[in-house]
Amino acid sequence: DQQVKQNSPSLSVQEGRISILNCDYTNSMFDYFLWYKKYPAEGPTFLISISSIKDKNEDGRFTVFLNKSAKHLSLHIVPSQPGDSAVYFCAASPMNTGFQKLVFGTGTRLLVSP
Amino acid sequence: DGGITQSPKYLFRKEGQNVTLSCEQNLNHDAMYWYRQDPGQGLRLIYYSQIVNDFQKGDIAEGYSVSREKKESFPLTVTSAQKNPTAFYLCASSVDRVYSNQPQHFGDGTRLSIL
Repeated sequence: DQQVKQNSPSLSVQEGRISILNCDYTNSMFDYFLWYKKYPAEGPTFLISISSIKDKNEDGRFTVFLNKSAKHLSLHIVPSQPGDSAVYFCAASPMNTGFQKLVFGTGTRLLVSP
Repeated sequence: DGGITQSPKYLFRKEGQNVTLSCEQNLNHDAMYWYRQDPGQGLRLIYYSQIVNDFQKGDIAEGYSVSREKKESFPLTVTSAQKNPTAFYLCASSVDRVYSNQPQHFGDGTRLSIL
């Protein structure tokens, strides 16, 4: 039972354009959502997060949108740069566990071409 | 610089051997976690610890063991009971969630392979 789904295994975008990465979840108890970026043979690096009390959070070129009614999360990268090429994981944490139990999606590989 | 150090980066195990993966953090985080990543899959939680001398099983704890004798250290032992140990292992830490939503920070991982 996959509670966090990233249905697009890969995405290709040209430099300067917008990259939109999507994530769907099924557990209505999730209240904290995160995006991580991962290069090969390295650990994930935290990018941006959002609490369920918000519907948007912005940090520089990165914006995360949360649609609770649709149980949908998206990450927008504007403008995209070649250095953004990596695998992006979304993750979610439920509110009732007493600790930060992250559930991860399977990742989307982003390729930004010059 | 504060961070999480995992060692070794690559590890090879013979059939029937136990191996221990090291994880050290100097972020003064209370909580530490171990994840496993397999190709094409997301990260899956093996064990977590919210405080020294206490740890809990995650979703895939069978064949693994941990200890938390010091706040900074959370070693993972992959035992011979783990039938499919070849994977990329990631250690993470975070401020305890009780106080605020703070992200988990990850080390660079250990790739374990069976000889």
